[in-house]
Amino acid sequence: QKEVEQNSGPLSVPEGAIASLNCTYSDRGSQSFFWYRQYSGKSPELIMFIYSNGDKEDGRFTAQLNKASQYVSLLIRDSQPSDSATYLCALLRGSSNTGKLIFGQGTTLQVKP
Amino acid sequence: DGGITQSPKYLFRKEGQNVTLSCEQNLNHDAMYWYRQDPGQGLRLIYYSQIVNDFQKGDIAEGYSVSREKKESFPLTVTSAQKNPTAFYLCASTTTRTGIDQPQHFGDGTRLSIL
Repeated sequence: QKEVEQNSGPLSVPEGAIASLNCTYSDRGSQSFFWYRQYSGKSPELIMFIYSNGDKEDGRFTAQLNKASQYVSLLIRDSQPSDSATYLCALLRGSSNTGKLIFGQGTTLQVKP
Repeated sequence: DGGITQSPKYLFRKEGQNVTLSCEQNLNHDAMYWYRQDPGQGLRLIYYSQIVNDFQKGDIAEGYSVSREKKESFPLTVTSAQKNPTAFYLCASTTTRTGIDQPQHFGDGTRLSIL
């Protein structure tokens, strides 16, 4: 079983809709989770990070974490064509002082005008 | 501006050749990381360093080497032992001093291909 699993997609949504991206993980002890957006040919850029169970909102983005069920999701409201990219879920194995990020394979999102 | 600078943007390696990828940061970050990304795949950790003069192997260190002589710099050498070096190489850094887990931020990457 992979440590971090994402559906590779593509996930296709119409402009203005809510895009829901999901990620499951196997290590129940994982504490810190990150969502990165990666445009084709570019490096990943941080979208959100979440450490506590529940929801965390930042503009059109909401990260949701459920440690009991071992999943983390990213919701994008009012999706725009510019949101079309690959979204990478990552968790920190260990702590910032000693640990390392483990990435899923990414989900490709296509927002159709 | 503060950031992470990777160079070169594109690099070509001949058979049997070692090549070195540069990564410099002026963010005063303690920790630096090297990842490899293959097409359609997530990132895999090659090496990382939490402090100067110390580094650890990641999940795919074979065929690679690093050094951390200065806080700002973490160069990666792709040796001739790495038989499949074609990939997108990403350098990242983060601070470790805040007491809570901080996200890593990435440079623009280096694309390495075999000639």
